[in-house]
Amino acid sequence: DAGITQSPRYKITETGRQVTLMCHQTWSHSYMFWYRQDLGHGLRLIYYSAAADITDKGEVPDGYVVSRSKTENFPLTLESATRSQTSVYFCASGTDPGQRSYEQYFGPGTRLTVT
Amino acid sequence: GQNIDQPTEMTATEGAIVQINCTYQTSGFNGLFWYQQHAGEAPTFLSYNVLDGLEEKGRFSSFLSRSKGYSYLLLKELQMKDSASYLCAALNAGNNRKLIWGLGTSLAVNP
Repeated sequence: DAGITQSPRYKITETGRQVTLMCHQTWSHSYMFWYRQDLGHGLRLIYYSAAADITDKGEVPDGYVVSRSKTENFPLTLESATRSQTSVYFCASGTDPGQRSYEQYFGPGTRLTVT
Repeated sequence: GQNIDQPTEMTATEGAIVQINCTYQTSGFNGLFWYQQHAGEAPTFLSYNVLDGLEEKGRFSSFLSRSKGYSYLLLKELQMKDSASYLCAALNAGNNRKLIWGLGTSLAVNP
């Protein structure tokens, strides 16, 4: 089915471990985004990608790494997890933001707990 | 600076109409999004306004005034399932294409 999926949906990890969150979309959207959502902060952009092999930092990129070798996949890696990275992570994809018909759709989210 | 303001909480009655306001200040502006987010779920796209005026989609309508930096989401014939958080986000113009998000308005619909 067409859509955007994230895995895992829930993850508990220890401080210092590397964690990779996966995101896959089947719409062939050019743009993909990673957000984290925390109480009191709303949605904050971590990284985004305008196309395969093109990525750029968002508002809170420190401690995170992304790659986009294929249009449909946009994994997010926490190189050395810290407790402050405990959050709900949402991946999103969308068409060209310059178009009037622009839409952005979110994946179901990954709830990450760092102990 | 860049900022999005919307009320933190609102309460309304089933069957009524509610208007959720959003004001924004951005260094450049392309358009404004509204999303609905139920507790524990992902945001769901509702609307994207680029031009001034009102756009209607069923029970939901969204309005934009670019000159005033103002938008509202209008929900008609409220249902209990409309109890959710409503997020306003402005799309920044320029090369970064970033969305500036408000903190959301938590709407409680009472019977």
